Amino acid sequence: LAKTTQPISMDSYEGQEVNITCSHNNIATNDYITWYQQFPSQGPRFIIQGYKTKVTNEVASLFIPADRKSSTLSLPRVSLSDTAVYYCLVGPEAGSYQLTFGKGTKLSVIP
Amino acid sequence: SAVISQKPSRDICQRGTSLTIQCQVDSQVTMMFWYRQQPGQSLTLIATANQGSEATYESGFVIDKFPISRPNLTFSTLTVSNMSPEDSSIYLCSVGSSFGNQPQHFGDGTRLSIL
Repeated sequence: LAKTTQPISMDSYEGQEVNITCSHNNIATNDYITWYQQFPSQGPRFIIQGYKTKVTNEVASLFIPADRKSSTLSLPRVSLSDTAVYYCLVGPEAGSYQLTFGKGTKLSVIP
Repeated sequence: SAVISQKPSRDICQRGTSLTIQCQVDSQVTMMFWYRQQPGQSLTLIATANQGSEATYESGFVIDKFPISRPNLTFSTLTVSNMSPEDSSIYLCSVGSSFGNQPQHFGDGTRLSIL
């Protein structure tokens, strides 16, 4: 399974755009890139998924360069309620359903 | 997306006892998974709960310690056996489809503390 590397933590002020970059140098051809958000005392919640280029939904945007060796989750105009841990995952491998969670990025939004 | 309910949401148990955690889904799902999240850590997959057959365990996890049942397509249980303080964790159930790239959806977990 492709390993991912993300910053351990980030701070941002309310109203700012936050970009969290994830490195996945060994991503396989069939791997998708998926981001989850986890609040304390809750399970991870799916945010966005992409394979290449750009994906946007009502919550976030996901930018994936042509080589797919990294991806950037963009959160527009964050609020205090966006304080959470954000996980970047790649995979699963063909024929497998296993998700491998890295350490995630703890985002703290400051008033 | 599927609504996943876990019971209990939290418990405090004595060393040497066992606890069974239930995971109920509001729709039939192909894949169900059990994860462990130790304090301040990321999630680790324990096993895949297979309907009608034995669960598939990941390295470091064994059936005797974490027996799993999957009697139908909407329900699974995870038992944490002969508990010790090292088993204090959050245990999470997730569901997925047979299409591997589809995102998994998680319950809110069971917070387990062993004294």
